Amino acid sequence: GAGVSQSPSNKVTEKGKDVELRCDPISGHTALYWYRQRLGQGLEFLIYFQGNSAPDKSGLPSDRFSAERTGESVSTLTIQRTQQEDSAVYLCASSQITPRGDTQYFGPGTRLTVL
Amino acid sequence: AQTVTQSQPEMSVQEAETVTLSCTYDTSENNYYLFWYKQPPSRQMILVIRQEAYKQQNATENRFSVNFQKAAKSFSLKISDSQLGDTAMYFCAFMDSGAGSYQLTFGKGTKLSVIP
Repeated sequence: GAGVSQSPSNKVTEKGKDVELRCDPISGHTALYWYRQRLGQGLEFLIYFQGNSAPDKSGLPSDRFSAERTGESVSTLTIQRTQQEDSAVYLCASSQITPRGDTQYFGPGTRLTVL
Repeated sequence: AQTVTQSQPEMSVQEAETVTLSCTYDTSENNYYLFWYKQPPSRQMILVIRQEAYKQQNATENRFSVNFQKAAKSFSLKISDSQLGDTAMYFCAFMDSGAGSYQLTFGKGTKLSVIP
């Protein structure tokens, strides 16, 4: 497919467990973003990757959150020792080489539920 | 920091009628981009329309158009000839073109229901 894909679609975990969320961007898109959407809220920026540059981690809410990306391919968002307040939809987006003003294309998201 | 405000949590419109969704934003920047995204129950965020702040002409995409008032920092979305498929959450978003990460700042959304 040509769009952004994310897996899993839904994830239920117990408090204190670690989770990994995966994002496959559109081929050729060098910019990749992670956002969090809590119930009934807008999206909150978490982290940004652009090519081989150092990521912008300014939106990560705590040191339990981390993300990696290898080159211009797949990214994983890891949440360690999950808490109930981490329950949300995690959305990934990608855009082209010059992301200034360029459209960000979103994946369908991963709904995380922490019991 | 930029903020985006959508003052209408929910709206409804009759099929084939016109509806306007409001959005205001706060920024000290002069160059930026504004977007409207649609999020149906499938969760997929879909771009509806985008506007460059340096362009005075309002953007239009088929039945969707914006009223961009830069001095008032207002960016409303007009949907003409509303269709049942327009039922969704609509998010207004801001991107600072001078920022390093070009992240989007979103409003809290407006839930639009199109009534048959």
